[in-house]
Amino acid sequence: GAGVSQTPSNKVTEKGKYVELRCDPISGHTALYWYRQSLGQGPEFLIYFQGTGAADDSGLPNDRFFAVRPEGSVSTLKIQRTERGDSAVYLCASSFGGLNTGELFFGEGSRLTVL
Amino acid sequence: AQSVTQLGSHVSVSEGALVLLRCNYSSSVPPYLFWYVQYPNQGLQLLLKYTTGATLVKGINGFEAEFKKSETSFHLTKPSAHMSDAAEYFCAVSGGGANNLFFGTGTRLTVIP
Repeated sequence: GAGVSQTPSNKVTEKGKYVELRCDPISGHTALYWYRQSLGQGPEFLIYFQGTGAADDSGLPNDRFFAVRPEGSVSTLKIQRTERGDSAVYLCASSFGGLNTGELFFGEGSRLTVL
Repeated sequence: AQSVTQLGSHVSVSEGALVLLRCNYSSSVPPYLFWYVQYPNQGLQLLLKYTTGATLVKGINGFEAEFKKSETSFHLTKPSAHMSDAAEYFCAVSGGGANNLFFGTGTRLTVIP
């Protein structure tokens, strides 16, 4: 499809386990974002890539969270030693230009449940 | 620093009535302002945005919003609600060359037949 694709759509794991969430952005989009949306809240910024590099990772809550985008396209969000508080919907978005000329296109999200 | 406040986590309107969803922002630089809509089991979709120029912005599905700097507001309106407008609406702000969005907590719109 032509949109932002996220897998898995649902992930249930146990406390302490390692999780990877994948995002496939729209082809040609150089900017990629990860957000986290907890129940009843708006999306919360985690990290932003421009190409292969993390231009802003100030939103990552702690060092258990890490994201990569090795070839400037697909990105993986990695969460180590998961905790129940990590349960949320993780959203990925991509854009071509800056926000003054473009827009963020969002995927449907990966719902993570930590038991 | 930038942030938005959405007044009213839930809004109910009758079909055909005016829709008004409130958003106030805080920004130390000229803001870019956005409204996104999220339908059940779907990704966030851009409704409209204000960057520069005309302060009254028209978006998709008959929605519009007006940037009022003196009131630090960017309220979303639609003259006549339709059942298909039932969704969650998010206001967001960016600016200062930042390539990031800060979202409000959202307003869930219910349309009563």
